[in-house]
Amino acid sequence: DAGVIQSPRHEVTEMGQEVTLRCKPISGHNSLFWYRQTMMRGLELLIYFNNNVPIDDSGMPEDRFSAKMPNASFSTLKIQPSEPRDSAVYFCASSSADRGRLDTQYFGPGTRLTVL
Amino acid sequence: QKEVEQDPGPLSVPEGAIVSLNCTYSNSAFQYFMWYRQYSRKGPELLMYTYSSGNKEDGRFTAQVDKSSKYISLFIRDSQPSDSATYLCAMTYYRDDKIIFGKGTRLHILP
Repeated sequence: DAGVIQSPRHEVTEMGQEVTLRCKPISGHNSLFWYRQTMMRGLELLIYFNNNVPIDDSGMPEDRFSAKMPNASFSTLKIQPSEPRDSAVYFCASSSADRGRLDTQYFGPGTRLTVL
Repeated sequence: QKEVEQDPGPLSVPEGAIVSLNCTYSNSAFQYFMWYRQYSRKGPELLMYTYSSGNKEDGRFTAQVDKSSKYISLFIRDSQPSDSATYLCAMTYYRDDKIIFGKGTRLHILP
C-alpha cells in the first residue's frame, strides 16, 4: 500500500495567492483528516470527513480556508487568499472505522507551505 | 490552561538509557491515550495507545496512564539512536472522536 499521498510536498507562494493542497487517502479508509502543524501551536485538527461528508470543521481558522472531498479517494484544502501566518506543515491523515477498536490515523508526509 | 501539556525539550540522553516522556491534561473525560512518534520531515505514526488507566508494554516501550493525576508517560528502555524523534502524546474522549495532540517532545539519543 502506498499510504496517504499528499501533493505538493513543498509550496512557496506569495501573500494573496490561492493555494491548493491535495490528499489521496489509503484505499478503503472512510475517514479523512486535515491537520496543520507549527512550532507555536503544535498539531491542530482543521477538519475531518467521514464517508466524504464534513463532520467537524470547527478547527478551520477562518473563511479563507475551505476543504472538499468529492469522492472517497481525493480531498483538497484550499487557502484563498493566503497570508504569511498560514505558513506551516499541513498533514492529511486517513483511518477506517472499525467497531470496538481505536481508529488508527495514518498520516501522509505533509505539505510544507511557505507564504512570503 | 491548555487541554494537553507537554514539555517540548529537547531531551538528550545517552544510548542505552531509559527515557521518560510525559504529558499532563486537564479534562478528566479523556478515555483513550496515545503516543505518536514523528521523525524529521515525516508525518506522525502511532506507537501505542491505552484505554483508561493502567500500563501497556510493547517491546522496549511502556505506556502508563494515571487518570487520578491526569498524567501519562511513555518509557523507552535500552534507547537507540533510531529512537531520536519527536514524541507526541494524544488523547480523545471516545474511540472515534477527534484527537487532541500535545506539542511534542524532541528526543535525541546520543551514540
